[in-house]
Amino acid sequence: GNSVTQMEGPVTLSEEAFLTINCTYTATGYPSLFWYVQYPGEGLQLLLKATKADDKGSNKGFEATYRKETTSFHLEKGSVQVSDSAVYFCALLSTGRRALTFGSGTRLQVQP
Amino acid sequence: GAGVSQSPRYKVAKRGQDVALRCDPISGHVSLFWYQQALGQGPEFLTYFQNEAQLDKSGLPSDRFFAERPEGSVSTLKIQRTQQEDSAVYLCASSSPRQRNTEAFFGQGTRLTVV
Repeated sequence: GNSVTQMEGPVTLSEEAFLTINCTYTATGYPSLFWYVQYPGEGLQLLLKATKADDKGSNKGFEATYRKETTSFHLEKGSVQVSDSAVYFCALLSTGRRALTFGSGTRLQVQP
Repeated sequence: GAGVSQSPRYKVAKRGQDVALRCDPISGHVSLFWYQQALGQGPEFLTYFQNEAQLDKSGLPSDRFFAERPEGSVSTLKIQRTQQEDSAVYLCASSSPRQRNTEAFFGQGTRLTVV
């Protein structure tokens, strides 16, 4: 079946530090890959996505590259801000399905 | 409306009670999803509607869970005879079906606590 594995949190960083949140997946076919973010008190929001191998999704300074050979979609940001503190979810949409499969989420805490 | 709206935001139910959770999707979105999110976990798929048709209910954990969307807009998730393991946040999402990879917009969820 389909599954998504994320690094456990919380991840605690100082402002302007480099961020990596690892995500690997198992899926049949050629899934689309997503990162969603959940800010405190808010609903899940799409952060970025990639629909085929070697695609790079990017938004708000965050990037992730769809690596089929390593079945990974790691999230990176060069310089985090306090406002980036949130829970980040990696997710996939497999061929023939409409619903997303999510990882367990990684909480990011950025300290000033 | 501007986004997906869910009500109530919080619900406390005594074990054995029935509950009904409401979702108002974004106007014009024909696809609607329900997910269950346990504490510290990612959302898990429950069921999917396209208009009023429930096309996938493979994620519903038991026959105590029932969802409907009779007019292809508002949806209700009903849980009968609630149990403690039903405590979770229930998320609703809607999307346009024109492209399969289109963004799903999520509501803020209903936090259900069964005591």
